[in-house]
Amino acid sequence: DQQVKQNSPSLSVQEGRISILNCDYTNSMFDYFLWYKKYPAEGPTFLISISSIKDKNEDGRFTVFLNKSAKHLSLHIVPSQPGDSAVYFCAASATSGTYKYIFGTGTRLKVLA
Amino acid sequence: DSGVTQTPKHLITATGQRVTLRCSPRSGDLSVYWYQQSLDQGLQFLIQYYNGEERAKGNILERFSAQQFPDLHSELNLSSLELGDSALYFCASSVFGQSLFFGPGTRLTVL
Repeated sequence: DQQVKQNSPSLSVQEGRISILNCDYTNSMFDYFLWYKKYPAEGPTFLISISSIKDKNEDGRFTVFLNKSAKHLSLHIVPSQPGDSAVYFCAASATSGTYKYIFGTGTRLKVLA
Repeated sequence: DSGVTQTPKHLITATGQRVTLRCSPRSGDLSVYWYQQSLDQGLQFLIQYYNGEERAKGNILERFSAQQFPDLHSELNLSSLELGDSALYFCASSVFGQSLFFGPGTRLTVL
């Protein structure tokens, strides 16, 4: 049962353009969402998070949008840079529970120079 | 550097063997999580500890076990290893309810 889904395994974007990575979830108990970036042979690195009481959170070039009714979140990277090329994971947690974080399968982003 | 350390970095062993992976969380973090990543797949949640107590279990096999010690470091024990257990094993820590910080991982190869 994949409660967190990233349906696009890969995405290519030109340098300077916007990258939009999508994530869907099925569990309505999830109320805290995170995005991580992962380079090969390294551990995932935390990027940005959002609580369900918000619909948008911004940190520099990274913005996360949450649509609770659609159970959908997205990560926007503007402008995209070659160093952003990595695998991006979304994760979700139910803060009223055990704070077990469920991760999606990841989207490999390639930013073309 | 996330502040989470994992040893060893690489581990090569044979089927049927037993190994122990070690994790030291960030200073002050009471929660430790273990995840498995196989063949560029997603991160599969295995188990979570909080201040020495098991808090949540995921898709952890019965051949696998873990514990968190009084000094908060954690060990993941994998026994009767099979070829399919070859994977990256990540440990993460957090202040309860906050973002996870991951270690660099242990790459396990079972031959």
